Amino acid sequence: DQQVKQNSPSLSVQEGRISILNCDYTNSMFDYFLWYKKYPAEGPTFLISISSIKDKNEDGRFTVFLNKSAKHLSLHIVPSQPGDSAVYFCAASGGGGGADGLTFGKGTHLIIQP
Amino acid sequence: NAGVTQTPKFQVLKTGQSMTLQCAQDMNHNSMYWYRQDPGMGLRLIYYSASEGTTDKGEVPNGYNVSRLNKREFSLRLESAAPSQTSVYFCASRAQGLVGNQPQHFGDGTRLSIL
Repeated sequence: DQQVKQNSPSLSVQEGRISILNCDYTNSMFDYFLWYKKYPAEGPTFLISISSIKDKNEDGRFTVFLNKSAKHLSLHIVPSQPGDSAVYFCAASGGGGGADGLTFGKGTHLIIQP
Repeated sequence: NAGVTQTPKFQVLKTGQSMTLQCAQDMNHNSMYWYRQDPGMGLRLIYYSASEGTTDKGEVPNGYNVSRLNKREFSLRLESAAPSQTSVYFCASRAQGLVGNQPQHFGDGTRLSIL
């Protein structure tokens, strides 16, 4: 069963507007959440992260929000730029079971339209 | 500024052939990881190594072996390749922070096709 879910396979946003990407998780033991950005034929690039002791983390145009009670996190990109067009992966760690490593969602393809 | 380097970038194998995927990092990271990504899926952990000399299974280890050759290098071996192992393989590394969590940093992947 998927422990990290990104329910929107794709999202189209106009340049300059806000992009909001969503992610839900089921494992309450996750304690560290990350967003990665991926271009075709490249590896995932780390974007921003948040610890479970926080509810918001901001880095320039990128803000991640964490709602632990709802087991939901979101990534806000403001303003959206053409170079933001990519696949965005939500990931989590600390899920218990003794294994290190990240659990990934399936990704959301963000398309920024001019 | 290489980061995580994977070789080869592309490979085609026949069923039953063996192959080793190479990964090296120059960031002095302790932990290294191997993931696979299948179409329409997120990355799934195959094996990881928390430090030199240790390796552990991840979510999908069957059909694979790994070697942590030294602190820099972590290889993934397919002993007898199967078509189900056609995938893109990513290597990653992570520092162990003194305070708090640290993100993983990924290579650009090896695209492996097994006929």
